[in-house]
Amino acid sequence: DGGITQSPKYLFRKEGQNVTLSCEQNLNHDAMYWYRQDPGQGLRLIYYSQIVNDFQKGDIAEGYSVSREKKESFPLTVTSAQKNPTAFYLCASSKTGTIYNEQFFGPGTRLTVL
Amino acid sequence: AQKVTQAQTEISVVEKEDVTLDCVYETRDTTYYLFWYKQPPSGELVFLIRRNSFDEQNEISGRYSWNFQKSTSSFNFTITASQVVDSAVYFCALMNNNAGNMLTFGGGTRLMVKP
Repeated sequence: DGGITQSPKYLFRKEGQNVTLSCEQNLNHDAMYWYRQDPGQGLRLIYYSQIVNDFQKGDIAEGYSVSREKKESFPLTVTSAQKNPTAFYLCASSKTGTIYNEQFFGPGTRLTVL
Repeated sequence: AQKVTQAQTEISVVEKEDVTLDCVYETRDTTYYLFWYKQPPSGELVFLIRRNSFDEQNEISGRYSWNFQKSTSSFNFTITASQVVDSAVYFCALMNNNAGNMLTFGGGTRLMVKP
């Protein structure tokens, strides 16, 4: 079945450590996105990529980094520079070429900093 | 700048009641799309509907219906005869012509349907 997978589902990190969240899709979508969701709040865009080897900062990119070496993969690294990384992280993908394509979401990774 | 407001942070109803989730948006664009997503306890967002700014016809899909009114910049979502399985967080989102496929989300409404 086509879809988006994120791993791990739960992640615990000590303060000062970098951690990488995985996102893979087999929908043949060109665009991929990373969002952060805090309790009781909506989603905020961290980074997005419209094509391989290219990505752009979203609204809250500070303290995060990404790479897009393959069409299927868009890993997100939460660095020690991120002041408050505990949150729920959602990855999404969509078609490009025509506008207004809905985004499809993965199951999310819940990151907790100890 | 664009903005989506979901004023109801939490709604609680008893099963079989009808419930309407409000969504108000702001944008300077004349061409845009509005979306509703459902987030069940599992966390994954599930796409429910997309509506473009030129189509103000109401839409019905089973127990779900949507009321789009450009005059009031609203895109409200009604669940008829609610069921326990409808319990989730519902997000309204806006995509405009100048932002590729970027979505601006509202803060979400948590719906609790009690048996």
